[in-house]
Amino acid sequence: GDSVTQTEGQVALSEEDFLTIHCNYSASGYPALFWYVQYPGEGPQFLFRASRDKEKGSSRGFEATYNKETTSFHLQKASVQESDSAVYYCALGAMQQGTGSKLSFGKGAKLTVSP
Amino acid sequence: DPKIIQKPKYLVAVTGSEKILICEQYLGHNAMYWYRQSAKKPLEFMFSYSYQKLMDNQTASSRFQPQSSKKNHLDLQITALKPDDSATYFCASSQPRGYEQYFGPGTRLTVL
Repeated sequence: GDSVTQTEGQVALSEEDFLTIHCNYSASGYPALFWYVQYPGEGPQFLFRASRDKEKGSSRGFEATYNKETTSFHLQKASVQESDSAVYYCALGAMQQGTGSKLSFGKGAKLTVSP
Repeated sequence: DPKIIQKPKYLVAVTGSEKILICEQYLGHNAMYWYRQSAKKPLEFMFSYSYQKLMDNQTASSRFQPQSSKKNHLDLQITALKPDDSATYFCASSQPRGYEQYFGPGTRLTVL
């Protein structure tokens, strides 16, 4: 079945550091790829998505590029802020015929940014 | 104003009882979903509905039954509750052919 692998469980950075959170996927067909962010006590929030090879998604300074060859969608941000501290989830969307998209999530990466 | 409402925010139940988790969305979406998040597993897809019809069910147990009384409602009935059912349950919605899903704030269920 479809799956998403996130290797970093915890990421600790200082403000203005460069962020990379790795995401690799396994899927049949051509899935859409997403990043979601979750703050304590809240539901996941959609960050951005990409639907085709080499497409870049971006939002709030975060970005990721769909790479079909390496089956990756790594999240990056040039300069993190303390307010970016949250859990980041990579997800894969398998479109069902005529319906919405079932999302398969990775395990998440907890980002902690120190001032 | 919140676009997806989940009630209650917190729920405590005893083993063997039955509870209903409420979800209403005001985004005009026609597809709705339930996901579960626990300490043991990350966000896990449970059900998807489109135009009030069940499209996909990834829940092994029949104790979990979604109920859609209105287009913008998708409640989740859980019967014969077990401690392993303790988790936060998230409702989400999207356009039927859209990809982005928008999540509610969740209902945190604790089964004693």
